[in-house]
Amino acid sequence: DAKTTQPPSMDCAEGRAANLPCNHSTISGNEYVYWYRQIHSQGPQYIIHGLKNNETNEMASLIITEDRKSSTLILPHATLRDTAVYYCIVRVGTNAGKSTFGDGTTLTVKP
Amino acid sequence: KAGVTQTPRYLIKTRGQQVTLSCSPISGHRSVSWYQQTPGQGLQFLFEYFSETQRNKGNFPGRFSGRQFSNSRSEMNVSTLELGDSALYLCASSRGAASQETQYFGPGTRLLVL
Repeated sequence: DAKTTQPPSMDCAEGRAANLPCNHSTISGNEYVYWYRQIHSQGPQYIIHGLKNNETNEMASLIITEDRKSSTLILPHATLRDTAVYYCIVRVGTNAGKSTFGDGTTLTVKP
Repeated sequence: KAGVTQTPRYLIKTRGQQVTLSCSPISGHRSVSWYQQTPGQGLQFLFEYFSETQRNKGNFPGRFSGRQFSNSRSEMNVSTLELGDSALYLCASSRGAASQETQYFGPGTRLLVL
């Protein structure tokens, strides 16, 4: 699976959009981009995933560049409860069990 | 639909003992993966089971083993515990193993080895 690079930490004001970047320059054509978050050492929570197109769900939006070498997770209106470690991973679907989580980005939402 | 459940949630053992952790996947999910999370190493993949068969395995010693039952429930066993085995053990389930999958994680079992 491709390696990802994320900034170690970011701050965001409550109510503003949080934009979390992820670089995955060695991504293969059949690898998906997944985002999870982990709050207070609970189990990681699935947020969103995509292959080529931008995706949106009730939690967030995922913007993937045309060359697929980077992506951005957007939390449109961050709340204090969005404070967590956010992980970007890329993996092939059939090797789902071998997902490798990097160090992630610690997002701190401030009032 | 109920999420992934793990038991026990907390466990204290001493060096040399063995431990068995349990994971019940989301109903209808056939794949179960196990991860170890420590402050120093982050989240590391242990193994994945699908239809009672181990499909993938991470780089952990043979002291770490697992199995999956016909109802998709999975157990993980660690024998001859070492201090370094203290960690949060996470289980994740997914629907199938053939195509793109989303893994859903349980709350984890926090193991402390003294």
